[in-house]
Amino acid sequence: QKEVEQDPGPLSVPEGAIVSLNCTYSNSAFQYFMWYRQYSRKGPELLMYTYSSGNKEDGRFTAQVDKSSKYISLFIRDSQPSDSATYLCAMSAGTDSWGKLQFGAGTQVVVTP
Amino acid sequence: DVKVTQSSRYLVKRTGEKVFLECVQDMDHENMFWYRQDPGLGLRLIYFSYDVKMKEKGDIPEGYSVSREKKERFSLILESASTNQTSMYLCASSLRDRVYEQYFGPGTRLTVT
Repeated sequence: QKEVEQDPGPLSVPEGAIVSLNCTYSNSAFQYFMWYRQYSRKGPELLMYTYSSGNKEDGRFTAQVDKSSKYISLFIRDSQPSDSATYLCAMSAGTDSWGKLQFGAGTQVVVTP
Repeated sequence: DVKVTQSSRYLVKRTGEKVFLECVQDMDHENMFWYRQDPGLGLRLIYFSYDVKMKEKGDIPEGYSVSREKKERFSLILESASTNQTSMYLCASSLRDRVYEQYFGPGTRLTVT
């Protein structure tokens, strides 16, 4: 069983809708939770990160972490066609070099005009 | 602006050939990483380096080696390419204590025939 599970999609939503993405994990040592966005034919780029449990908001993006349920979420409000990408969750047990990231498989999101 | 560059976008090699993939970053980052990305499997860490001449195995190091002779450059070597090494290869870098914030290159699509 993978340490990080993520539904691959694709997830298709109309422009303006809320996009809801999530990942589950099994390793209770994870403390850092990240969301990366990857456009087609590009490398991933960090979108948001959260330490431990709680919510974090950045513009149209909200990240939530529920460590008790081992479940993280990313919400995109007022979605735009430019949000069409693959979204990867990633997790780490620490911030130093030994805190290797474990990635989910990624969810492909398509926002239709 | 952080920049991670990879030597080739597309590469086609024959089984048994020795393959070199090069990665250069211009942000003076201590950490550098090599991943492969396959559909349904997400990003899997092959090797990482936290300093010049230092390397650590990731989750799937078999069939690969790495070299880091200069801080800005990290090379991935396939000693004898095999068809199951056909994949997208991504290089990333980060500051020593910010492993969660990795900057990725555009990737090299390697096909081994």
